[in-house]
This record gives sequence, C-alpha cells and structure tokens, in this order.
Amino acid sequence: AQKITQTQPGMFVQEKEAVTLDCTYDTSDQSYGLFWYKQPSSGEMIFLIYQGSYDEQNATEGRYSLNFQKARKSANLVISASQLGDSAMYFCAMSLRGANSKLTFGKGITLSVRP
Amino acid sequence: GAVVSQHPSRVICKSGTSVKIECRSLDFQATTMFWYRQFPKQSLMLMATSNEGSKATYEQGVEKDKFLINHASLTLSTLTVTSAHPEDSSFYICSARRQNSNQPQHFGDGTRLSIL
Repeated sequence: AQKITQTQPGMFVQEKEAVTLDCTYDTSDQSYGLFWYKQPSSGEMIFLIYQGSYDEQNATEGRYSLNFQKARKSANLVISASQLGDSAMYFCAMSLRGANSKLTFGKGITLSVRP
Repeated sequence: GAVVSQHPSRVICKSGTSVKIECRSLDFQATTMFWYRQFPKQSLMLMATSNEGSKATYEQGVEKDKFLINHASLTLSTLTVTSAHPEDSSFYICSARRQNSNQPQHFGDGTRLSIL
C-alpha cells in the first residue's frame, strides 16, 4: 500500500517570498508518480506539478518546483515569489504507474500568504 | 478551461432523499473515473473507482448499496447517494484521466451535499 505523509502545521509566508511544503511517501513499488494539487476555499482541485519516479530531473512548472529526493522518499513542493492567491490547501499525492491507477492523498497543508 | 464537469455544485435536501451527482469528461474519453469524499479540513478519501461498462470497485468501508455508481459511457459517471441522511453530508468530488495516458487526473469542481 502507498502512504503519503504531510506533517507540517499551517504554514505562513510573506508575499513575494519562497516557501517549501514537505511531503514524504512510502511505497514498495519502483514505478510511481507524485503529484501536488492546490485546493482553494472554493473546493476545486487544481493540478500543480508532477514527478515520475524515473524522472532524473526535478519537475518545474512556472513558480512551482518539486524537490524530488528518491532515496529519502521525499517530494517537497517549492513555491517561489508567493502571491496572495497562493493561500489554499495543498495536497501531495501519489499513484502507481498505469492510466487507471488511483491517487493516494496526504492530509494536506494549509498555506497562508501574508501581504 | 475545465476538462471535467461535475453537477450539481451544491445540493440541499431532506433526509431520505436520493441524490444523483454527474461527472463528465468534456474533451476526452475516460474508461475510469474516481469518486472521492472530503470532510471539512480533511483530505480526499477515495470511495470508489468507476469503470466504464463494468461494476465499480469500492474501497473498504464504503457501502456499495448506499453509494451507487454507474459509468454508462466513456464520458459520464454518476454517483447516487441513496436515502441520504445527515451523516452523508460532505463534499463529493470526481476525477478522470485521459485514457491510455500518464497525464494527471483532472478533477471536477465538486458537489457540496447537505442533508437536513
């Protein structure tokens, strides 16, 4: 079984600064994917970034980057130049390879960006 | 724009009512869709995997007779909460991924269900 751990309490960051949201995972499979989603108060789940277990380079998508450390089984999300609109819940998730593989979510982290 | 559409966005109804929620993939085919439930300030918990043309696969502890899932076409899955009670009040959200693709799952906007 897969497990995602997000243990940080609510996070606060000053506008325009960078913030790291932690995520560790556990699986015995070698082929898997790691995801980060953002959930604002309105409820929708917004895909941010993906990292495959065999990807050698860390994924980046605009202001989002994923610090993937496979040996440590961590997949931290780095948000650069925080904006007020980044305030939301952030979920780390993983799935095994395969188009129909389900997602396993962590419990989430609340990020608040201060003006 | 949205690639997965979920309706309705909000439902308020009396106890004992059955409620149907629709999840549509808008511009792609999805042989598999997923239904999640989320309580306030908690994570998404997978309820079931909806398979086109076959029975859904339910997670442990989810009552299949309570939460009926139908996946009649490659673009539509429905979740029916039968004889809903106040404890069924929650946020229900579906997701889908393009067939034969490693692209991430796309989520609907969710349905807030309130049973009085």
